[in-house]
Amino acid sequence: RKEVEQDPGPFNVPEGATVAFNCTYSNSASQSFFWYRQDCRKEPKLLMSVYSSGNEDGRFTAQLNRASQYISLLIRDSKLSDSATYLCVVFGDEKLTFGTGTRLTIIP
Amino acid sequence: DTAVSQTPKYLVTQMGNDKSIKCEQNLGHDTMYWYKQDSKKFLKIMFSYNNKELIINETVPNRFSPKSPDKAHLNLHINSLELGDSAVYFCASSRGGSQYFGPGTRLTVL
Repeated sequence: RKEVEQDPGPFNVPEGATVAFNCTYSNSASQSFFWYRQDCRKEPKLLMSVYSSGNEDGRFTAQLNRASQYISLLIRDSKLSDSATYLCVVFGDEKLTFGTGTRLTIIP
Repeated sequence: DTAVSQTPKYLVTQMGNDKSIKCEQNLGHDTMYWYKQDSKKFLKIMFSYNNKELIINETVPNRFSPKSPDKAHLNLHINSLELGDSAVYFCASSRGGSQYFGPGTRLTVL
């Protein structure tokens, strides 16, 4: 079983739609959780941290369920500029472990 | 004002050659990393250094040797390059959990 699992997609959604990504992780001792975004041929960039209480940043909402070892990301009112690969990332044992990423394309 | 920089951006070389990639960060972070992203886009950690000391070595072949002359620099030297080494190599730095990545070095071994 992979340490961090994500549906690779691709997800093709119309502009303005709401889209949700999910991720599961295997190490119950993991300490911190993040969503990163990677544009084509660019480096990954931190999108947001993820907390059990849930957190929101504009159109983006992230949620962590430690009991189920499950992380989610919700994007509302999607924009063309949201097209990218979204990486679920878990920090533990002094390192980040990345999921394989979910590719999102927003269609005009 | 680039936070994490890498050189070169592109590297094309023959099998069997030795090459180096340099990384510098001006964020004052204590920890630096090397990652490899393969053709399937899977990003995997290779090495981690904290204050010039190696703390993670993820079963990377001995042909790969990182060197940290000071905590702002982490270079990667690769001996006897193989076809399977072709990938994008990202340097990153952090203080705490979130990391900042360099722009990547696209290595192609012919």
